[in-house]
Amino acid sequence: GDSVTQMEGPVTLSEEAFLTINCTYTATGYPSLFWYVQYPGEGLQLLLKATKADDKGSNKGFEATYRKETTSFHLEKGSVQVSDSVVYFCGYNKLIFGAGTRLAVHP
Amino acid sequence: GAVVSQHPSRVICKSGTSVKIECRSLDFQATTMFWYRQFPKQSLMLMATSNEGSKATYEQGVEKDKFLINHASLTLSTLTVTSAHPEDSSFYICSARRSSGGKNEQFFGPGTRLTVL
Repeated sequence: GDSVTQMEGPVTLSEEAFLTINCTYTATGYPSLFWYVQYPGEGLQLLLKATKADDKGSNKGFEATYRKETTSFHLEKGSVQVSDSVVYFCGYNKLIFGAGTRLAVHP
Repeated sequence: GAVVSQHPSRVICKSGTSVKIECRSLDFQATTMFWYRQFPKQSLMLMATSNEGSKATYEQGVEKDKFLINHASLTLSTLTVTSAHPEDSSFYICSARRSSGGKNEQFFGPGTRLTVL
């Protein structure tokens, strides 16, 4: 069935390090893909999205490119900050989510 | 962006009681809302799709008699956990779909933490 697989956490980085969180999906057709963030005790907030192949979503220094050939939507950021320490969820069509990846950034 | 609220944000109840959780779209009309359940340190699992004026569509494995969903207006959907038990303790999140200009966007509520003693 349709599913999303993302990198297991926690991911621990030093401030200003490069971040990659892998996300791959299996689906029929070409779904829209999303990255969400979740702050402790809160719901999800949309970080970025891409609606078709080769689209790049970007927001707040984060980027992800919709790669149809590898069915991937990896999240990247060139220089992480301590404030980026939250849980990241990859999802598609807003109904199916990965397991979440907790990021911890240390000064 | 659009705002979706949930009430209550936290609820503690005794085993065997029923708990109602409200999900409201505050500044837009939502013909479709979604209910999710999230266990600690895990992903969101879609429980059901709530359609205004019609019956909810439940995902496989979700007991419709246990989790009653009512979407009585374009701004309100309710989830009632009936005869709650400790295993129902979880974080419940709703989202509402806003359709505008041929585009669909989805906005999440802040979640409701249910603890059943």
